[in-house]
Parts: sequence; C-alpha cells; structure tokens
Amino acid sequence: GAVVSQHPSWVICKSGTSVKIECRSLDFQATTMFWYRQFPKQSLMLMATSNEGSKATYEQGVEKDKFLINHASLTLSTLTVTSAHPEDSSFYICSARGRGNDEQFFGPGTRLTVL
Amino acid sequence: AQSVTQLDSHVSVSEGTPVLLRCNYSSSYSPSLFWYVQHPNKGLQLLLKYTSAATLVKGINGFEAEFKKSETSFHLTKPSAHMSDAAEYFCVVSAVQGAQKLVFGQGTRLTINP
Repeated sequence: GAVVSQHPSWVICKSGTSVKIECRSLDFQATTMFWYRQFPKQSLMLMATSNEGSKATYEQGVEKDKFLINHASLTLSTLTVTSAHPEDSSFYICSARGRGNDEQFFGPGTRLTVL
Repeated sequence: AQSVTQLDSHVSVSEGTPVLLRCNYSSSYSPSLFWYVQHPNKGLQLLLKYTSAATLVKGINGFEAEFKKSETSFHLTKPSAHMSDAAEYFCVVSAVQGAQKLVFGQGTRLTINP
C-alpha cells in the first residue's frame, strides 16, 4: 500500500517559537494532502486541505496565519505552527491522496508539545 | 451536515469472542462510510469502506460492516477477536458528496482480554 511519512515524530518547543512538520508521500504522487489535529482521547479534526501548487483551504475556526501550509511538490506538504503556545500542543496527522484515487493514506502523526 | 456517532467509547472483549463496534451516521445524501484503525505510533489504516455498492462490506483482518440505511448504522464486526486487534477504531463519513473531506467519529478503544 501507499506510504506516508511525517517528520519529526515528536517535537518539544518553547512558547513563541515556530515549528515545521513535514508530510511526505513516499511511493506515489499526492495531488491532495490533508492536515488533521487530534487531542488526547479525542477524534481527528480536519484543519485544512491542500492541493499541489495552490493555496490551502482551511476549515472554519482554523487560523491560516498561525498554521501555515505549503504543498510545493507532489510528494511534500509542510505545516508550520507559528508562534506556538501551550494550547497548540496536540497530535498532528497528515494524509495524502493520489490522482484518480479516492482513498486517503495517513501518516503516523507528529506529537507537538509546547512548553 | 454529515456526522457520525460511535456509541461506545470503550469496548472490551475476550480473545476468540465476537467484536461489535457500533456506529450511527447522519447524512443528507447517500454517504460513503469508512472504518479506520489506529495503532499506537502508526498511521491510521483503512479497514473497509462502503460506497453504495454491496451493503455488507468485507475488510482486512476479518472485519466486516453492514450498511443499514433504515437504521442509519454502519456497525463493525469480527467473528473472533485477536490480541492484535487491540487499537482505536474510527467510523468516518465523507462530508461532501463526491469529495474526500472526512468527518471522524469520536473513536472506540477496543481492548482484548487474554
């Protein structure tokens, strides 16, 4: 099956700093990538959808200036949490979908802790 | 708006006994429904999906689910639980017809007792 990786798998940062999370499709071209957020013992909430080469579409309530998403190539999308605060601490998960494929393939997630 | 409700936050069964994870959905059109499994430190894995074909859907690892429109349900079952089935399970509905915007249920943690 298709493989999606995320890097880093976990990160700890100080409040006020920015953190970048990478999502890569390893063996297919991802025309669409999705970013989710998962709080402890809760469900996944879609944050934004990005198509290669175009601006991301953010869900209602998600600050686009705080969560910067770039999908510059067919195998890489990045999520940058700018000026992180403790309330941004969460598990961030990406998924990717290839052209002509209706299935999303999920990465293993990145655990962000903001001190 | 589309939504899913997983009726149990935690299910515990003994190894070798049947598994039933319950899911009800709400959708203004014929939905696509999915079950995903999440093991610790691993990405979500698709178990099975319903997309308006056969109402009984067979998935991987012996799991299956039945789409019941009259009951707006999509319960996940397995005849005999294995220790490796212990994980978090999510029932998911597609939020926009023809698109792949997914709405996740709250999740059910499945525990398998030896």
